[in-house]
Amino acid sequence: GNSVTQMEGPVTLSEEAFLTINCTYTATGYPSLFWYVQYPGEGLQLLLKATKADDKGSNKGFEATYRKETTSFHLEKGSVQVSDSAVYFCALSSPNAAGNKLTFGGGTRVLVKP
Amino acid sequence: DGGITQSPKYLFRKEGQNVTLSCEQNLNHDAMYWYRQDPGQGLRLIYYSQIVNDFQKGDIAEGYSVSREKKESFPLTVTSAQKNPTAFYLCATSDRGLITEAFFGQGTRLTVV
Repeated sequence: GNSVTQMEGPVTLSEEAFLTINCTYTATGYPSLFWYVQYPGEGLQLLLKATKADDKGSNKGFEATYRKETTSFHLEKGSVQVSDSAVYFCALSSPNAAGNKLTFGGGTRVLVKP
Repeated sequence: DGGITQSPKYLFRKEGQNVTLSCEQNLNHDAMYWYRQDPGQGLRLIYYSQIVNDFQKGDIAEGYSVSREKKESFPLTVTSAQKNPTAFYLCATSDRGLITEAFFGQGTRLTVV
């Protein structure tokens, strides 16, 4: 079945540091890939997405590139801010999966210190 | 104001009681989902529905039940058969079955006392 593996946190950074969160996946067919962000006590918000190989999703300074050859979708940001402190989830949706449901990674908590 | 409304935000239940969590949407999305999130963990799918009057079990459906009588509503009942119901519950919707993005509600935190 489909699965998503992302690096465990917490990841603690200083403001303006470079952030990378690794995400790899296993899926049949050609999945769409997503990064979601969750702020404390809230639901998830879509951060960015990519629907085919070599697509780059970007939003709010975050980027991720869909790498089919390495089955990866790593999230990066060049200069983080305190407001980026949150939990980040990598997810996939495969049109061949029964029921078309999202499969999530375990989440990575990021803490940015001033 | 468009979106997904989950209620209540906090819910306390005594052991042995059934409780129902509400999820309402005005996005006109066909698909709706219920996820469970435990502290420090990812999301696990409980039930999902692609159309009205139809729904499927997710990965952890035991002890839960749902209905989809209207497109706008997808209530989740946590029954007494659910042995460890304390968790954060998230409702989500999507158009055309998740090839595009999913939208999430603000969640309901259920605590068994």
